[in-house]
Formats: sequence, C-alpha cells, structure tokens
Amino acid sequence: EVQLVESGGGSVQPGGSLRLSCAASGFTFSSYGMSWVRQAPGKGLEWVSAVSSSGGATYYADSVKGRFTISRDNSKNTLYLQMNSLRAEDTAVYYCARQLGYCSEGSCYFDNWGQGTQVTVSS
Amino acid sequence: EIVLTQSPGTLSLSPGERATLSCRASQSVSSRSLAWYQQKPGQAPRLLIYDASSRATGIPDRFSGSGSGTDFTLTISRLEPEDFAVYYCQQYGNSPPITFGQGTRLEIK
Repeated sequence: EVQLVESGGGSVQPGGSLRLSCAASGFTFSSYGMSWVRQAPGKGLEWVSAVSSSGGATYYADSVKGRFTISRDNSKNTLYLQMNSLRAEDTAVYYCARQLGYCSEGSCYFDNWGQGTQVTVSS
Repeated sequence: EIVLTQSPGTLSLSPGERATLSCRASQSVSSRSLAWYQQKPGQAPRLLIYDASSRATGIPDRFSGSGSGTDFTLTISRLEPEDFAVYYCQQYGNSPPITFGQGTRLEIK
C-alpha cells in the first residue's frame, strides 16, 4: 500500500522559514516524480512544486519561485520542501503527492496523496 | 495558463439520484488530459478519473467521466451517502502549470 506521510508544518512569522518532509513507503520511490500541492483555508488546490524521479530536475509555480526549494533523498524515500521568506498567503495545508506524467511539460496528475501538514504564516 | 471553471458551485441532491458536474476550460485541453478528484472534509484529495474518462484503481463504476476540448463532465450515476464531498477537476494537457478548478460541493438535499 502506498503511504505518504508529511511532517514539519507549524506556525511561523512572515519572513520565516520551514522545511517540510514527506516519508514515502509501499512503492519504489525512486521511480516516480513527486510534487507538493497546497490548499489555503477554505480554498481550492494549487500545485506548488515538482521534482523528477532522480531529483535532477525541479519545477515551481510562479508564486513560490525563488523562495521554495524542492528536493528528495531516494536513499531515505523522503521528499522535502524548504520554504523561505514565507508570506501570509503561503498559509495552507501542504500535501505531497505522487505524480504520473511530467509536470515539467504541464503533463502530470496525482494518483496518491499524503494527509497534509498545516503551515500557518502570521505575526 | 488554462483556467478551469466548475459548475455548479454547490449541488444539492439526494442519495440514489444522478449527479452531473461540469468543468469548462478557458482553452482546449489537449489529448483529453483532464482528471477528477474527490475530497472529503479533513481528508486528502483522491483521484477518481484521469484522461477524461479512465477510472482510477478501486473507483466504483458509478463514477464516469466524459468530454473533450473545453467541456468535461463527471457523472455519478446513483449517489451513495459516501459520495457527498467536494470534487475538483485538473488539466494537464497543455504548457505548465497544471491547474485545478475551484471545486463543486456536492451536498445532501
């Protein structure tokens, strides 16, 4: 059974940083691209970032480019999202998701999701 | 960027009825590259349909998807109590970024 378990969320002041993790199990992690998708309170879904299966290629939504960094450690079956210069509008539940297809080409969707971790940015 | 508009915003129906949810794209979605997700309160989204009409693993056959170009539909043939949730469409057939619709809330009448 595929399992994705996020951690690392919390409350932080504007301008602060957080590092999210997503521990994967039940599948060959190194064979799949992975993404982070977020959901602001009471709002819809927004794709944030993607990383290729090897970790060699990364992609970002314009809203987070230059502030967030996605990475992965295939030896630990773990996905990361380093979030810097956080803003109030980054407040959301962050989901990690296993992707099918290539987000780099705008051609990916998500067949398994974690339960999410809450990030709150407030002074 | 392709904008997806879902309608209606809220759909009120009774168990046993048929539900029809719409997703309209601001430009044509190539290769019928559209997915549907279900999200219940406090839960992660669950993939229901991909490639506009293919059911994901384990999804009951009362869920079906159709459409092409700019107009797509998710149909639930006979509503079960567990089907009341929010449904999102997502396109992945064009230049990045992928985008989601704003969601349709399916509530019990």
